Amino acid sequence: GAGVSQTPSNKVTEKGKYVELRCDPISGHTALYWYRQSLGQGPEFLIYFQGTGAADDSGLPNDRFFAVRPEGSVSTLKIQRTERGDSAVYLCASSLGPSGQGNEQFFGPGTRLTVL
Amino acid sequence: QKEVEQNSGPLSVPEGAIASLNCTYSDRGSQSFFWYRQYSGKSPELIMSIYSNGDKEDGRFTAQLNKASQYVSLLIRDSQPSDSATYLCAVIFTSKFYFGSGTKLNVKP
Repeated sequence: GAGVSQTPSNKVTEKGKYVELRCDPISGHTALYWYRQSLGQGPEFLIYFQGTGAADDSGLPNDRFFAVRPEGSVSTLKIQRTERGDSAVYLCASSLGPSGQGNEQFFGPGTRLTVL
Repeated sequence: QKEVEQNSGPLSVPEGAIASLNCTYSDRGSQSFFWYRQYSGKSPELIMSIYSNGDKEDGRFTAQLNKASQYVSLLIRDSQPSDSATYLCAVIFTSKFYFGSGTKLNVKP
């Protein structure tokens, strides 16, 4: 079956603009995660959805970042008033259930965000 | 503070040799451990998961877990140039993944 998909693959925006990044998880996966990865670093946790609700949003860096998953499938990460420091690759991952034994995470290809 | 530590490398090994990648973690409550491979410009790809102390083998890959020492490793036997990538160690605690910064592996033909 299809893997996790993310759109767009690349996004270039200007400082201060609003952006939306989309993630379509593997069909049937109830858990969805957003990560941010900077060059030379591992993925940094942002937010975790179990179904429609945000089970853990402790990784969101500030209130400019927000994510939704209204129907328990596709998720959108929204960034307001973008700053140059937001430039990174934003990764989405999904798992069959809450990550743990037997529920490995599978990653999408990522969206490379560049804020000029 | 949950931390996952890896040597950034690069680790260089000749083709056909065994590559040994190491990872330590700070939280004794962690129960699930993963190794991901990430090629340059690509997203992480799951290689192995391990949940119990000891060794777990899958083809050329062996994951080793020692919870008492808070240590997890990945051995790659008969290393190939196509194994050249960054290897990320990931640890789960309370449904949240914590990743190390990765070890870059170079396999020389």
